[in-house]
Amino acid sequence: AQSVTQLGSHVSVSEGALVLLRCNYSSSVPPYLFWYVQYPNQGLQLLLKYTSAATLVKGINGFEAEFKKSETSFHLTKPSAHMSDAAEYFCAVSDGAGNMLTFGGGTRLMVKP
Amino acid sequence: EPEVTQTPSHQVTQMGQEVILRCVPISNHLYFYWYRQILGQKVEFLVSFYNNEISEKSEIFDDQFSVERPDGSNFTLKIRSTKLEDSAMYFCASTGQNEQFFGPGTRLTVL
Repeated sequence: AQSVTQLGSHVSVSEGALVLLRCNYSSSVPPYLFWYVQYPNQGLQLLLKYTSAATLVKGINGFEAEFKKSETSFHLTKPSAHMSDAAEYFCAVSDGAGNMLTFGGGTRLMVKP
Repeated sequence: EPEVTQTPSHQVTQMGQEVILRCVPISNHLYFYWYRQILGQKVEFLVSFYNNEISEKSEIFDDQFSVERPDGSNFTLKIRSTKLEDSAMYFCASTGQNEQFFGPGTRLTVL
């Protein structure tokens, strides 16, 4: 069985500050890891994915995440927050391509002017 | 850019009624999924579908639920007799290149 824990259901940062959203996973096999963003009343948009290649993954909108096997983590970062980054962020794990995703509980990011 | 589409965007129904949620996955994708998100909660896997049959399903996906690919483009989720607790956002997804592409969702409200 797989699971995902996102620490912090709500994170608030000031515009221009570093964004750090935490994700820890549990998987009995090498995982595929994903970060999705959900804007209000919209679907899920993929930010980035880790599929056993480079451990530092760059995604859209300036986000990146680092896969750390020893820490079973896949934290999402962005050097400088923008107002448009305010959204809900979901970390997800899969045990292979074409397999179901298991999502974390989500983190709502708020960006203060 | 190809995308997953879902209809309707919002469905209101009475408890006990049947509903069919429709999805058009991306045309060259082979794996299809349904997920749901109850308001304020995490996204939960319901079912995956490959080669015209269910490949995996969760505990949520009981006998009240069924999926079908009636033609070469549509992928449907049917709930036979809706309950209040079925009220949620239902997302369809399809897989290509190690990535699941999600549709915009259907908000189901059961009264």
